[in-house]
Amino acid sequence: SQELEQSPQSLIVQEGKNLTINCTSSKTLYGLYWYKQKYGEGLIFLMMLQKGGEEKSHEKITAKLDEKKQQSSLHITASQPSHAGIYLCGADRANTGFQKLVFGTGTRLLVSP
Amino acid sequence: DGGITQSPKYLFRKEGQNVTLSCEQNLNHDAMYWYRQDPGQGLRLIYYSQIVNDFQKGDIAEGYSVSREKKESFPLTVTSAQKNPTAFYLCASSRDRVMDTEAFFGQGTRLTVV
Repeated sequence: SQELEQSPQSLIVQEGKNLTINCTSSKTLYGLYWYKQKYGEGLIFLMMLQKGGEEKSHEKITAKLDEKKQQSSLHITASQPSHAGIYLCGADRANTGFQKLVFGTGTRLLVSP
Repeated sequence: DGGITQSPKYLFRKEGQNVTLSCEQNLNHDAMYWYRQDPGQGLRLIYYSQIVNDFQKGDIAEGYSVSREKKESFPLTVTSAQKNPTAFYLCASSRDRVMDTEAFFGQGTRLTVV
């Protein structure tokens, strides 16, 4: 089984709608990273969460890390076509700041006009 | 502009041949990583290096080799021992042992065995 489970695996939303992507870990998280990927391209860093209860926002994207540090959610408000892509969560296996991450399988987002 | 560059973008290999993927960064990062991405499996760590002339195996190192002779370069060789090499390969770099930092990724190399 995957160390990091993402849900849903894919999502189609109408432009302007809100959506949430979840990332659940089977182990304690010391750092949770959210990346976005366009198909066939590299990963773009979105944000990082370290402390239980932490919440960060960038433009219309908000990410939270729950108090038990084993689940994170990514919320997009008023989705736009530019939000389409694959969203990946990655977790630090140890509290070192080192980027040897384990990744979830990704959530593929499509935004319809 | 600082960044991380992978080349080539597309690579075709015949079975039984070794092939080397290039990764160069000018971010002055100490740590570099190679990940493999397959459909439905996310990214898996192949090798990583925290410092020049040192590197460690990741989760799926069999059939791969790396070198780290220069700080800015971390080439990956896919050998003939890798049974299923067709995949999308991503290189990344980061500052080492610095909290609240992130990895920067290259644009990837898509390797196809023909």
